[in-house]
Amino acid sequence: QQPVQSPQAVILREGEDAVINCSSSKALYSVHWYRQKHGEAPVFLMILLKGGEQKGHEKISASFNEKKQQSSLYLTASQLSYSGTYFCGTEMPGWGAAGNKLTFGGGTRVLVKP
Amino acid sequence: NAGVTQTPKFQVLKTGQSMTLQCAQDMNHNSMYWYRQDPGMGLRLIYYSASEGTTDKGEVPNGYNVSRLNKREFSLRLESAAPSQTSVYFCASSEVRFRDNQPQHFGDGTRLSIL
Repeated sequence: QQPVQSPQAVILREGEDAVINCSSSKALYSVHWYRQKHGEAPVFLMILLKGGEQKGHEKISASFNEKKQQSSLYLTASQLSYSGTYFCGTEMPGWGAAGNKLTFGGGTRVLVKP
Repeated sequence: NAGVTQTPKFQVLKTGQSMTLQCAQDMNHNSMYWYRQDPGMGLRLIYYSASEGTTDKGEVPNGYNVSRLNKREFSLRLESAAPSQTSVYFCASSEVRFRDNQPQHFGDGTRLSIL
């Protein structure tokens, strides 16, 4: 039930673009994206709800394809500060008493070089 | 504005010892969570509390117990520590609203080594 992230790692030059995918075999209600710097806590980036909504944070945006049960995170014109590990967290339908319970993917390590 | 505070930040235990990890949030959130993160891995949910007075198991609950002491505090207890429980433990909290998904806010983590 853990979502699958791809690629596992990516190396970019400053200014380059990258796409990170998060796929689930189960129907999803929402997808959360977090970034974690080495030795630090994960930091929230954005939430995608089913319906294909696209959101943005700085030059980072994401989409949610409900038919494919997949979310993609787009790093555009990458900056050095974008380096870190990106995690998607997926939430199944049936929200309510269970709270905002997420299942996280294994992460994608991103290194942006000058 | 402290957010989510975890104590201690570091701890070394011997196999068989017990300890409690503490977590407190000052954002008046309903839900709280405990995760573990092993090197190079993602976050795995140990236990969560959807609201004050309720707790439920996550993906990897064996060897752990939790207590939602009040709305602010959610503690994680290792009754008899094992080397396999060496990990970084994160506490998180979130507001939960109907049809209004909210992010989880994480503490800085507790780095736990069991020898």
